[in-house]
Amino acid sequence: GENVEQHPSTLSVQEGDSAVIKCTYSDSASNYFPWYKQELGKRPQLIIDIRSNVGEKKDQRIAVTLNKTAKHFSLHITETQPEDSAVYFCAASKEGGSYIPTFGRGTSLIVHP
Amino acid sequence: DAGITQSPRHKVTETGTPVTLRCHQTENHRYMYWYRQDPGHGLRLIHYSYGVKDTDKGEVSDGYSVSRSKTEDFLLTLESATSSQTSVYFCAIRPGGNTEAFFGQGTRLTVV
Repeated sequence: GENVEQHPSTLSVQEGDSAVIKCTYSDSASNYFPWYKQELGKRPQLIIDIRSNVGEKKDQRIAVTLNKTAKHFSLHITETQPEDSAVYFCAASKEGGSYIPTFGRGTSLIVHP
Repeated sequence: DAGITQSPRHKVTETGTPVTLRCHQTENHRYMYWYRQDPGHGLRLIHYSYGVKDTDKGEVSDGYSVSRSKTEDFLLTLESATSSQTSVYFCAIRPGGNTEAFFGQGTRLTVV
């Protein structure tokens, strides 16, 4: 089955800095890569996603890049703010097999004011 | 809230007792999933369903069973709860195809 590795497990930055979280996946058939943000005590919620026919996608301060050859994808957050502090999960899934999302172990992002 | 609710939200139970968690959706989505979330392990798949009475095991299914007799309800049962099953349980739904998964609010289960 699919295996998703996520790094780092903890990331501490100063407000205004950029943050980068990286994930690798094992199944070359995976073609959908969502990122979820989970605030303390709340449910994970989608913040951005990318499909395998696209190399990069941006939404305001958030961007995701995908390298299919290397089987890795990354989340970039620019101009970080304290409200960006949360746990971020990457995931991968593919057509068929009930489209099961396989998640990375999560990155705890701490943005210091 | 994407029309998904979990119940109960919190539960404390004793070792050896059976426990059932409920996931209810109003979206008529085909796919439903149960995950558990533990520190350092992220979200791990317990069981999933791809239709009424169609279910299958995930990577951490031992000690758990599921049932889906109606599209809207997906039940997770711990047959005989153990302390290792203390966790936060999330249900997720997905309409079909490679699309966003929507999560319930989670159920915090403590087995003492």
